Amino acid sequence: DIQLTQSPSFLSASVGDRVTITCRASQGISSYLAWYQQKPGKAPKLLIYAASTLQSGVPSRFSGSGSGTEFTLTISSLQPEDFATYYCQQLNSYPLALTFGGGTKVEIK
Amino acid sequence: EVQLVESGGGLVQPGGSLRLSCAASGFTFSSYDMHWVRQATGKGLEWVSAIGTAGDTYYPGSVKGRFTISRENAKNSLYLQMNSLRAGDTAVYYCARGLRSSFWYFDLWGRGTLVTVSS
Repeated sequence: DIQLTQSPSFLSASVGDRVTITCRASQGISSYLAWYQQKPGKAPKLLIYAASTLQSGVPSRFSGSGSGTEFTLTISSLQPEDFATYYCQQLNSYPLALTFGGGTKVEIK
Repeated sequence: EVQLVESGGGLVQPGGSLRLSCAASGFTFSSYDMHWVRQATGKGLEWVSAIGTAGDTYYPGSVKGRFTISRENAKNSLYLQMNSLRAGDTAVYYCARGLRSSFWYFDLWGRGTLVTVSS
């Protein structure tokens, strides 16, 4: 099974900071990677899919990059509403398996 | 309004069964692949099952043989039949819609329903 490892698992940052979260896959997954944001008590929200495609309605301060085994989510200027937990997610096509990383919690410094 | 609403969660004893439902509205349900994803309290996300528009189904090893996903397009509804439940199945269960162009990404989520497996 393909494993996803996110780093860091916890991040403390200030409003206006540039934030980067990394997701590493144990095997190459091409660009089959998504990023989600989850706030406490809420369902996750899709931010980025296919490694770098911004989901409709998501602010442009969010961006994704990478392919193969290493991927990044970048928030160019952290806003108060961005404090949340972020998860990466990948597709393994055969057999079909959809797995998530362990999450990165972004908190206010 | 485009939304998914889960129901059917509750307290069940180990070895017991439970059936979750998800009511879809505001979009053409039959045109989308659908999923169940769960999250134990304070833990990460785990994909539980998927069903395609043609009724093809997929499961991870952790629930295969115990859980069954199904859909009823005439009722805009998704279901998850869970049998032989274990303490490790305790979680909030989310219904999620697959992205139209790439069904393995989840672009719409419900609020979730809590399943607690305990004696």
